[in-house]
Amino acid sequence: ETGVTQSPTHLIKTRGQQVTLRCSSQSGHNTVSWYQQALGQGPQFIFQYYREEENGRGNFPPRFSGLQFPNYSSELNVNALELDDSALYLCASSSGTTSYEQYFGPGTRLTVT
Amino acid sequence: AQTVTQSQPEMSVQEAETVTLSCTYDTSENNYYLFWYKQPPSRQMILVIRQEAYKQQNATENRFSVNFQKAAKSFSLKISDSQLGDTAMYFCAFMGRDDKIIFGKGTRLHILP
Repeated sequence: ETGVTQSPTHLIKTRGQQVTLRCSSQSGHNTVSWYQQALGQGPQFIFQYYREEENGRGNFPPRFSGLQFPNYSSELNVNALELDDSALYLCASSSGTTSYEQYFGPGTRLTVT
Repeated sequence: AQTVTQSQPEMSVQEAETVTLSCTYDTSENNYYLFWYKQPPSRQMILVIRQEAYKQQNATENRFSVNFQKAAKSFSLKISDSQLGDTAMYFCAFMGRDDKIIFGKGTRLHILP
């Protein structure tokens, strides 16, 4: 059984650019949730994907978008990057939408300059 | 809206001592889940313990136990016989009817040799 993996580990982008972050869910899991963790803060929920459909969204603008693929891996896309988008982006996978057994990946550290 | 508050930004204790981390939350819901997550310097978020609000009995996982006071909306974590490997950020988190996890800002715990 493989755990949750994320790529890349680190990323540096310039303000205004676009970025795609990737997440592979744990074997047997069909739900992926994405979180933004700013430095010194707790993670904030961005959105969740269940069986390739968005299943809930936090307080993030539309330039944050996502996808889930038939193998339940997922992408987080951020357009028009802003300096405040600099953060650790975590994904978590679970089985079903009742996500009290979420398993987190190691995160992608995004720096926007 | 639900909120989670951790009033201790940072704590230090000697190895083998017992330490209690505090958490309060606010919600109008009656059924929900509460969690404590650990985030070591390696960044991977790990679930430490989970409590269902409808269960009166406090959850226990080896050296980790909680004191759940539903009326007071309090959910503290006790770590007994603390070990160097317990050094990490600890996040209290809430999940309600919408299945979205809300995290507190965290407590940085240092276990001193």
